[in-house]
Amino acid sequence: ILNVEQSPQSLHVQEGDSTNFTCSFPSSNFYALHWYRWETAKSPEALFVMTLNGDEKKKGRISATLNTKEGYSYLYIKGSQPEDSATYLCAFPSISNFGNEKLTFGTGTRLTIIP
Amino acid sequence: SQTIHQWPATLVQPVGSPLSLECTVEGTSNPNLYWYRQAAGRGLQLLFYSVGIGQISSEVPQNLSASRPQDRQFILSSKKLLLSDSGFYLCAWSPSYNSPLHFGNGTRLTVT
Repeated sequence: ILNVEQSPQSLHVQEGDSTNFTCSFPSSNFYALHWYRWETAKSPEALFVMTLNGDEKKKGRISATLNTKEGYSYLYIKGSQPEDSATYLCAFPSISNFGNEKLTFGTGTRLTIIP
Repeated sequence: SQTIHQWPATLVQPVGSPLSLECTVEGTSNPNLYWYRQAAGRGLQLLFYSVGIGQISSEVPQNLSASRPQDRQFILSSKKLLLSDSGFYLCAWSPSYNSPLHFGNGTRLTVT
């Protein structure tokens, strides 16, 4: 069973403040690391797919870093806005002996921005 | 462009009744297809995944099954629903593990 862990489980941040949270994953057999944003009553939406150790990706005020050797990724949000309130999920792909690809999600970090 | 359709959007079914949720993808061929479930207060649990027609891998043996009768069609079924099957079901596709997943709009299933 793959262990993909996210911390913290939930976070309340004042509007305008910056924040970050963590995804931990197995450091062996690494293929990629995904980040998704999931708003209530909607479907998850992809933010980043990261494949290289040391990779940094940025999308507006949101950025992510990747350390494959130690098995963690950070997601940063700069200058939080109310629309950033959502659950942020990371996901770790693995490939079976038969070549089947599956994507295992962490439990998510629920972010609430306080106006 | 690629699109994913999932239906129905909501479903209320009694315990012991059958289930069929359908998902189709347009605009791509040979996608990896996935069924996930979010139970109340929990994260996204992988139920089934498929890399091709007739090839289904199961993560959750229980009373659910999946089939892929055509390249871009993925069906989630149950012969007899349990109360614990209630939740939000999401179908998703991707071309490969290093491409993002694209999700359908989901099905909210309530078993009564």
